[in-house]
Amino acid sequence: DVKVTQSSRYLVKRTGEKVFLECVQDMDHENMFWYRQDPGLGLRLIYFSYDVKMKEKGDIPEGYSVSREKKERFSLILESASTNQTSMYLCARSQQGMTFVNGYTFGSGTRLTVV
Amino acid sequence: ILNVEQSPQSLHVQEGDSTNFTCSFPSSNFYALHWYRWETAKSPEALFVMTLNGDEKKKGRISATLNTKEGYSYLYIKGSQPEDSATYLCAFIGRRQAGTALIFGKGTTLSVSS
Repeated sequence: DVKVTQSSRYLVKRTGEKVFLECVQDMDHENMFWYRQDPGLGLRLIYFSYDVKMKEKGDIPEGYSVSREKKERFSLILESASTNQTSMYLCARSQQGMTFVNGYTFGSGTRLTVV
Repeated sequence: ILNVEQSPQSLHVQEGDSTNFTCSFPSSNFYALHWYRWETAKSPEALFVMTLNGDEKKKGRISATLNTKEGYSYLYIKGSQPEDSATYLCAFIGRRQAGTALIFGKGTTLSVSS
């Protein structure tokens, strides 16, 4: 089975800290995504990437940046964490051209609390 | 921002009941529709990927239909079991957004009591 691994399941950070959320896939798949999930709001797209060093803004990119130096790793960066970034963060991947056959594979999520 | 609506937001059924949920999406721009099941403390898992009007897909007791002309999809669960308790997400991608990312609805949370 394809695996998407998020480095932390739970994370507590202080306001103003720079936070890195790591996501690693074990296949050579091109597309990777970061979503956040909040009660009543569903999954919202933050950033996605369809190749190394490529990135595209999603619906809510403000306060975030991303890094994709290697195909298997897609990092989400909170430049200066704020309490409104307390959320569940989900990473996903899909294979180029195969999204419409297999769908996305998600990581297990990182629940980030900013205090 | 494209709108994907799911209803109901939540529901509670008894074991053995059959149930269904609705996902509405923009009909004029359809490319693909996905259904995912998200169980507590687990990752969302793909149930169905649907691309053709009139598509019907089935996995065990769960099935889905697709109407791209009117912009809706139904997910059916026959004879609900406690292990079906989860949040069911639908996700849409439009033709103009092909090659980008799925847009998710807010989900329907199902609770099945034994």
